Amino acid sequence: DGGITQSPKYLFRKEGQNVTLSCEQNLNHDAMYWYRQDPGQGLRLIYYSQIVNDFQKGDIAEGYSVSREKKESFPLTVTSAQKNPTAFYLCASSIYSGRGNEQFFGPGTRLTVL
Amino acid sequence: QKEVEQNSGPLSVPEGAIASLNCTYSDRVSQSFFWYRQYSGKSPELIMSIYSNGDKEDGRFTAQLNKASQYVSLLIRDSQPSDSATYLCAVNLDNNDMRFGAGTRLTVKP
Repeated sequence: DGGITQSPKYLFRKEGQNVTLSCEQNLNHDAMYWYRQDPGQGLRLIYYSQIVNDFQKGDIAEGYSVSREKKESFPLTVTSAQKNPTAFYLCASSIYSGRGNEQFFGPGTRLTVL
Repeated sequence: QKEVEQNSGPLSVPEGAIASLNCTYSDRVSQSFFWYRQYSGKSPELIMSIYSNGDKEDGRFTAQLNKASQYVSLLIRDSQPSDSATYLCAVNLDNNDMRFGAGTRLTVKP
């Protein structure tokens, strides 16, 4: 089955710790994205990557880091520099259809700072 | 001004009625528009894409786009309790810059 997987589903972090969220896709999509969703708010872009070994900052990249060593994988590290990391993190991938950029989401990781 | 605005709701309709969800956007060069459905605690699911002015129908869903008015809407006919969810409007500013509204929460009452 093709799709996007994220792990873990739930993650608890102590203050001062770095944690890494996994995102894998087998859709052969070139572009991958990380969003953050807070209650009652829209999705905010953290980072995106159009090709392997290249990525760009989104609107709220401070305190986060990413890598794109393989087309299928786009892990997100939430560092201790991120002051308010408790949120729902969503990974997405897309293929440009010629008319638009349809993005498809993984199931998400809910991060809670203790 | 927010780039993508939606009425947060909640919007409540009786089962079988038409639910109308609205979205306005600020960037005039936007070419691609999307509606996502998000159930509580779950990730967004793409339900409609629309690129040209006018209506696009898919089953019980109709997306309407008016670029001159910078307005996109989603109509859900014969609403069912299973349609109860938050609906996110998304606008592609360019190939990789997608802006999302905060969503409208819809409740369909049996």
